[in-house]
Amino acid sequence: NAGVTQTPKFQVLKTGQSMTLQCAQDMNHNSMYWYRQDPGMGLRLIYYSASEGTTDKGEVPNGYNVSRLNKREFSLRLESAAPSQTSVYFCASIPRGAGGYTFGSGTRLTVV
Amino acid sequence: QKEVEQNSGPLSVPEGAIASLNCTYSDRGSQSFFWYRQYSGKSPELIMFIYSNGDKEDGRFTAQLNKASQYVSLLIRDSQPSDSATYLCAVNREDSSYKLIFGSGTRLLVRP
Repeated sequence: NAGVTQTPKFQVLKTGQSMTLQCAQDMNHNSMYWYRQDPGMGLRLIYYSASEGTTDKGEVPNGYNVSRLNKREFSLRLESAAPSQTSVYFCASIPRGAGGYTFGSGTRLTVV
Repeated sequence: QKEVEQNSGPLSVPEGAIASLNCTYSDRGSQSFFWYRQYSGKSPELIMFIYSNGDKEDGRFTAQLNKASQYVSLLIRDSQPSDSATYLCAVNREDSSYKLIFGSGTRLLVRP
């Protein structure tokens, strides 16, 4: 009963480095989402995948790419990290159009 | 104007009192409304959701929706110190992708 699992939990990157944030859910949910949370800004949608095989941009997609590897996994990639990408990243999933999101525990990313 | 607005607080109430948290939204086509609780350093967890005008009760929590006024609220009865957290309001537009738009949250402090 893991729910939504995110790895890593913490990461420090240097400007220009790349990394992939991993997210996996074991609830057979159709839709998955990546949000970032910054102080005073609330949660902002980066990318989402309404169903396996589809991905779309959210409110703040610049500097990110995503892959919906299969129904369970949805990864977020930073190709060239910038200090402005310092944030807490949350992955979330939902069954087909019902109820609210289930969130992962988050990844705290610092770019120096 | 933000799509979902919340007073950042903190809202301070004594233990045992009713805490009233408010949220307004700008998109009249919004279909469903969610309240999440987020403890410091943790991920958001769903408290309840509401789709129809009126009140919806779940234990000590009551969500109230007024679509004409574009207003949704959360009442917490018999507030406990463990209710101290940030409460996030989220709104789903009339959109099959089920993207939630979050407010920046209201911090609630319950004084023993």
